[in-house]
Amino acid sequence: AQSVSQHNHHVILSEAASLELGCNYSYGGTVNLFWYVQYPGQHLQLLLKYFSGDPLVKGIKGFEAEFIKSKFSFNLRKPSVQWSDTAEYFCAVNAYTGRRALTFGSGTRLQVQP
Amino acid sequence: EAGVAQSPRYKIIEKRQSVAFWCNPISGHATLYWYQQILGQGPKLLIQFQNNGVVDDSQLPKDRFSAERLKGVDSTLKIQPAKLEDSAVYLCASDSGTGGAWQYFGPGTRLTVT
Repeated sequence: AQSVSQHNHHVILSEAASLELGCNYSYGGTVNLFWYVQYPGQHLQLLLKYFSGDPLVKGIKGFEAEFIKSKFSFNLRKPSVQWSDTAEYFCAVNAYTGRRALTFGSGTRLQVQP
Repeated sequence: EAGVAQSPRYKIIEKRQSVAFWCNPISGHATLYWYQQILGQGPKLLIQFQNNGVVDDSQLPKDRFSAERLKGVDSTLKIQPAKLEDSAVYLCASDSGTGGAWQYFGPGTRLTVT
């Protein structure tokens, strides 16, 4: 069975600070990896995804994530956060082939202070 | 393109009552998912449909939950009878069902069972 761990439950940063949110997964096969974001009052939106190829993927709004297969990790990064990045961030995985339902982590609430 | 539609957005019921949620996926999306998101946790899959057939309902509490997608388009999720622990946000998502697809989420229905 798949599982996803997000170790940072609540992160508070000042504007312009750098961000890194951890995500580790457990699965015996090849996976697709995702970061979803939920802004206050809005629905879950795809931030970025990794299916194959370059392990460094870029998403919307200046976010990027790096897939490190040996560490089963897919950490999310942004060099300089803005107040508008305040949101909840979810890491998710699904099997590379077959069943595509997502297994989510518990989420990280990011609060950016102006 | 129009997003995933869900209704109602909010519902408050007493325990042992029944409730139904509706979802209309993005046009042309073959795969539809229902997730349950309990406060403080990531979404958890309840059921996955491919067109009008069930792909995975292994985590659906079938003694009280049921779901259907009769014409392979919109879907209904029902709970009967509801329990206090069913209080959660119920999310509907869809994707095209092809390789490389990712899921689009609706706004969710927030259910409170008192």
